[in-house]
Amino acid sequence: DTGVSQNPRHKITKRGQNVTFRCDPISEHNRLYWYRQTLGQGPEFLTYFQNEAQLEKSRLLSDRFSAERPKGSFSTLEIQRTEQGDSAMYLCASIPLSGDTQYFGPGTRLTVL
Amino acid sequence: AQSVTQLGSHVSVSEGALVLLRCNYSSSVPPYLFWYVQYPNQGLQLLLKYTSAATLVKGINGFEAEFKKSETSFHLTKPSAHMSDAAEYFCAVSDRGGGNKLTFGTGTQLKVEL
Repeated sequence: DTGVSQNPRHKITKRGQNVTFRCDPISEHNRLYWYRQTLGQGPEFLTYFQNEAQLEKSRLLSDRFSAERPKGSFSTLEIQRTEQGDSAMYLCASIPLSGDTQYFGPGTRLTVL
Repeated sequence: AQSVTQLGSHVSVSEGALVLLRCNYSSSVPPYLFWYVQYPNQGLQLLLKYTSAATLVKGINGFEAEFKKSETSFHLTKPSAHMSDAAEYFCAVSDRGGGNKLTFGTGTQLKVEL
């Protein structure tokens, strides 16, 4: 059990650029979640996958955001045409199908200039 | 819809003093409740969880929490604060019937002073 990993840990980009983050969940964890955390706030749910199927998306996930989990293992979160308001920590978590506890990765901190 | 309210965005205690971080929840179904801790620029680490077993739950680093249905509360306590407890603490509720996604409170920053 190597834990949930996320890459990159930090990303600085200019407004209007596209960015992609990667999350590798704990091996054999069926469910994978993405959250966004802005300064001084708790994490907010964005979306989750069960295996490769994306089962729920938050209203926070605008059409500039897209997430994939093509083989039911790692996941990517892409933000197109970034805006300054996208600056946040993006957290990934995973959980086995029969589990009740989400295990979080270290997060990717995005700064949009 | 579920929600979590954490009273007090900042709590300051002296080293060795009691730590009490408050959490109240709203849920239409029996909830799963969690406390997570976050150190600067890091992800969330689970402290403890309530999943409908014992109402008094013990976690890591000497923390515990008591689920009180009548008060819709899940306050976090530690008898004696240590400098290493300084961090941000988040209470969360899970919609276990809807994919287990978590709804978090806004967090409480704990400061421990000498």
